[in-house]
Amino acid sequence: DTGVSQDPRHKITKRGQNVTFRCDPISEHNRLYWYRQTLGQGPEFLTYFQNEAQLEKSRLLSDRFSAERPKGSFSTLEIQRTEQGDSAMYLCASSRYLTLGTSGSITEQFFGPGTRLTVL
Amino acid sequence: SQELEQSPQSLIVQEGKNLTINCTSSKTLYGLYWYKQKYGEGLIFLMMLQKGGEEKSHEKITAKLDEKKQQSSLHITASQPSHAGIYLCGAAAGNMLTFGGGTRLMVKP
Repeated sequence: DTGVSQDPRHKITKRGQNVTFRCDPISEHNRLYWYRQTLGQGPEFLTYFQNEAQLEKSRLLSDRFSAERPKGSFSTLEIQRTEQGDSAMYLCASSRYLTLGTSGSITEQFFGPGTRLTVL
Repeated sequence: SQELEQSPQSLIVQEGKNLTINCTSSKTLYGLYWYKQKYGEGLIFLMMLQKGGEEKSHEKITAKLDEKKQQSSLHITASQPSHAGIYLCGAAAGNMLTFGGGTRLMVKP
């Protein structure tokens, strides 16, 4: 396994169009995260999955955004009716969540190369 | 919510010089990650620190977490052009990472 992969790497779309991005995590990782990064800023958390369950969503994730991880492997992030403010780098990361008794720990998050979205 | 502040925001150094980047948290750090990002690309994992006073090194990069677990530093010894990029610190905040704004490093040959 060569790491987290994302497709496409770049996407240019017109305002109002729908776009979908794909992320393939490291195969043994049960957690998958989506982040958004705008120019000059650090990444901001959007949502994460443990296996196929979406466990947390940021308030940044408006109702135009939807993410799925149907079989607990790859994930898709769809943006409907894109706006110019959606232009950003969309980053996917994966990690392993290890259950230790009644608590748990998260291994390092490894990031993909990102999908750069430009909305005209 | 936890906030991370990185300093400096940008840095230009001559090749061969040493440099330090700081990351200060508004709350106690329970896991501090350092990543490097090339312009327009994804994040490359460098190191993770969890214990107060912990120090880790990889090649010419050393990261430390202070005893009070509210500040971390990243030190590069004898910088090279390959060290250029954006360095990001990220704090484990529940089930996600909260990132600082990044430090942009340029190394002049």
